[in-house]
Amino acid sequence: AQTVTQSQPEMSVQEAETVTLSCTYDTSESDYYLFWYKQPPSRQMILVIRQEAYKQQNATENRFSVNFQKAAKSFSLKISDSQLGDAAMYFCAYRTNFGNEKLTFGTGTRLTIIP
Amino acid sequence: NAGVTQTPKFQVLKTGQSMTLQCAQDMNHNSMYWYRQDPGMGLRLIYYSASEGTTDKGEVPNGYNVSRLNKREFSLRLESAAPSQTSVYFCASSESLTSGAGGEQFFGPGTRLTVL
Repeated sequence: AQTVTQSQPEMSVQEAETVTLSCTYDTSESDYYLFWYKQPPSRQMILVIRQEAYKQQNATENRFSVNFQKAAKSFSLKISDSQLGDAAMYFCAYRTNFGNEKLTFGTGTRLTIIP
Repeated sequence: NAGVTQTPKFQVLKTGQSMTLQCAQDMNHNSMYWYRQDPGMGLRLIYYSASEGTTDKGEVPNGYNVSRLNKREFSLRLESAAPSQTSVYFCASSESLTSGAGGEQFFGPGTRLTVL
């Protein structure tokens, strides 16, 4: 079974600075998707960024980028120019590309933005 | 286009009562899911449905039943609620993996359930 580990329960960053959230996962598969979801206080789950395992290029969405290290099974999220609206819980998630289509989530990292 | 909707948003039950959580999506997705979110544990899959007429157990199915009423609707039923089922429940939907879509799941706003 796949597992996803987020070892940082809480992180904080000064507004306008850069922060990196860590995620590692365990799988025997070679083809899969990885995601970062954001959950603000409203509780809504919002997709931040996705990475397909067979693509070597790291995904980027505006101020959000990932460092995908397939051999190390690491998938970190970098937030540049942090803004107050980035304060939220961030969840890393894994999805196989075969069979069962469920997402396996990490336990989350709570990000606080310091004004 | 409302995306994924859930009702109710909040519910308080007494131990032993039953209730059904409703979920609907208007994105024509084949796959639908029910997750529960507990503090410090992320989201865990209760049941999912890969297509209309099919359902499968997830990681934590005990105490729950589901119905895929049609392509749009996927309900979650608690037959005899227990305090351990106090949680936030999320419904989600996605394109099938075979569609070639990006694998993203779209989530509803959640239901906060308290069982006393």
